Amino acid sequence: NSKVIQTPRYLVKGQGQKAKMRCIPEKGHPVVFWYQQNKNNEFKFLINFQNQEVLQQIDMTEKRFSAECPSNSPCSLEIQSSEAGDSALYLCASSLSRGANTEVFFGKGTRLTVV
Amino acid sequence: SQLAEENSWALSVHEGESVTVNCSYKTSITALQWYRQKSGKGPAQLILIRSNEREKRNGRLRATLDTSSQSSSLSITATRCEDTAVYFCASNMGYKLTFGTGTSLLVDP
Repeated sequence: NSKVIQTPRYLVKGQGQKAKMRCIPEKGHPVVFWYQQNKNNEFKFLINFQNQEVLQQIDMTEKRFSAECPSNSPCSLEIQSSEAGDSALYLCASSLSRGANTEVFFGKGTRLTVV
Repeated sequence: SQLAEENSWALSVHEGESVTVNCSYKTSITALQWYRQKSGKGPAQLILIRSNEREKRNGRLRATLDTSSQSSSLSITATRCEDTAVYFCASNMGYKLTFGTGTSLLVDP
């Protein structure tokens, strides 16, 4: 069973508001991923970290989204100015390494609704 | 674009029956992973099958991989109601997982 903890489970924000969600990866996992899953179950990779360093991120993340994984604190993903299209399930995942054969563990997600 | 695609959007079976979910992918892979996502939860990995493996089992689950046709399948035998979920195949490119669109499986009692 995954021990990736995401908070809050549900988040409702108005358009233009900030939305922040947190993730505690599995203990000892230096690699953290954030994904957005829409209502059609489609996954969109947002960003990943190894320890505190960003490995890769998509353009969307670079503009309105910000994320960090400080040492000894939960990782976080923040949307600076929420839009209706940001409504989705945001999934955090962690793994022991970046290798293609590495198991990736997901949290239960934060469901964001932008009204 | 989706690197991996499941071939059926939805399947329905009666409890106790067997079912197979198929997946096709378009680029070379090092490994293919099968995930299950139940309602209200994040995806959970079921099986990871490497490119040099043809078959892998995990209890009632069996995954196959055919690199020549770039396809994989996940079979579930003796299905149970708790197998109801969305099943995804995914390829791990090292930096990120690329998921298929998912197959929704409903197991009726």
